[in-house]
Amino acid sequence: EAQVTQNPRYLITVTGKKLTVTCSQNMNHEYMSWYRQDPGLGLRQIYYSMNVEVTDKGDVPEGYKVSRKEKRNFPLILESPSPNQTSLYFCASSKPGLAKETQYFGPGTRLLVL
Amino acid sequence: AQSVTQLDSQVPVFEEAPVELRCNYSSSVSVYLFWYVQYPNQGLQLLLKYLSGSTLVKGINGFEAEFNKSQTSFHLRKPSVHISDTAEYFCAVSQTGANNLFFGTGTRLTVIP
Repeated sequence: EAQVTQNPRYLITVTGKKLTVTCSQNMNHEYMSWYRQDPGLGLRQIYYSMNVEVTDKGDVPEGYKVSRKEKRNFPLILESPSPNQTSLYFCASSKPGLAKETQYFGPGTRLLVL
Repeated sequence: AQSVTQLDSQVPVFEEAPVELRCNYSSSVSVYLFWYVQYPNQGLQLLLKYLSGSTLVKGINGFEAEFNKSQTSFHLRKPSVHISDTAEYFCAVSQTGANNLFFGTGTRLTVIP
């Protein structure tokens, strides 16, 4: 089954404790991205990757890091989480030529930073 | 710069009634337009998209949308909704050659039995 998986699905942590949210896709997609979803703000892109070892900032990259060492994986790293990063996070993947391609989303990771 | 406006944050509608969810975008260049749906506790999935050609686009689950270039709109419609259509709907726009997608703030559709 074609899918995007994220782990963990739910996470409660404390300010300053480094965490990583994993994302993996089995569709051999070149393009992957991370979004955060907040009430009243919709989805905002954090980072994206056009291919292995190629990453770039989205609209709200502050406080986040990513890496793309393998095509299928695109982890999101919060080096020192803060309460304003409490949110619902989605990973997505698509074929190249993002502008018109369908994006496939993971189930989401709900993060609470105390 | 591109932006997407979904004026209605919540739309309640009775089962079997028609519904229209509004989406307007701003862009000075050619765009591609999308509607995604998010069912409770799930990720987003594509409902339909407009790339070119016919301005009336049909999607899954009986939804359709019409691209209106002069009004810069891409409203989503369904002639008769079901309880299972209760979800959040996001309009999104991308620009030819761009590497990102801009989402609206979403419209929560609640179908009332």
